[in-house]
Amino acid sequence: KAGVTQTPRYLIKTRGQQVTLSCSPISGHRSVSWYQQTPGQGLQFLFEYFSETQRNKGNFPGRFSGRQFSNSRSEMNVSTLELGDSALYLCASCPSGKNIQYFGAGTRLSVL
Amino acid sequence: AQSVTQPDIHITVSEGASLELRCNYSYGATPYLFWYVQSPGQGLQLLLKYFSGDTLVQGIKGFEAEFKRSQSSFNLRKPSVHWSDAAEYFCAVGAEGGSQGNLIFGKGTKLSVKP
Repeated sequence: KAGVTQTPRYLIKTRGQQVTLSCSPISGHRSVSWYQQTPGQGLQFLFEYFSETQRNKGNFPGRFSGRQFSNSRSEMNVSTLELGDSALYLCASCPSGKNIQYFGAGTRLSVL
Repeated sequence: AQSVTQPDIHITVSEGASLELRCNYSYGATPYLFWYVQSPGQGLQLLLKYFSGDTLVQGIKGFEAEFKRSQSSFNLRKPSVHWSDAAEYFCAVGAEGGSQGNLIFGKGTKLSVKP
């Protein structure tokens, strides 16, 4: 079974632009979560989607948004990028009822 | 509020030596606890988990962890470290009242292995 796939792996943007990151969960997993990882703040939960509905949200500004499609694939969007948005963005999927998250390799976003 | 503390930012051990990485958590109910490992430029790999039952849990790559409710700890151990164990290790707890997909992570402990 293929693991969690995140695309692209690396991304360079400039301040003020917007960006969309993609995550394909493990087949059969309906829950997808997103995390931001930075050296200063560590790993922080962004949001979780289940069956196309946002189920949980972390403490991030409204510039960060996400969605999930009927095939469980998820995207997250960051608008009006700031330098501080430079981070590794990790996606994780979870099988129903199992409480175990499986992580992708992440998308490294650099904002210049 | 729930939190996870990993007191050691960086640990260096010699290859073949034993290892213990510390993790303390703050949680109102019975926690779901996890240890993940991250190699440079990679995502997180699950080493082991504790949900309930036996307080000593076995994981992959020869790791084990012991849940101690009285100390609010979930320390990770390995009897003999290999050079390939050099990585960053994260302890995490499932968020209270949250769904499956909301983990709270510690800041991580970076492990270096001396030959």
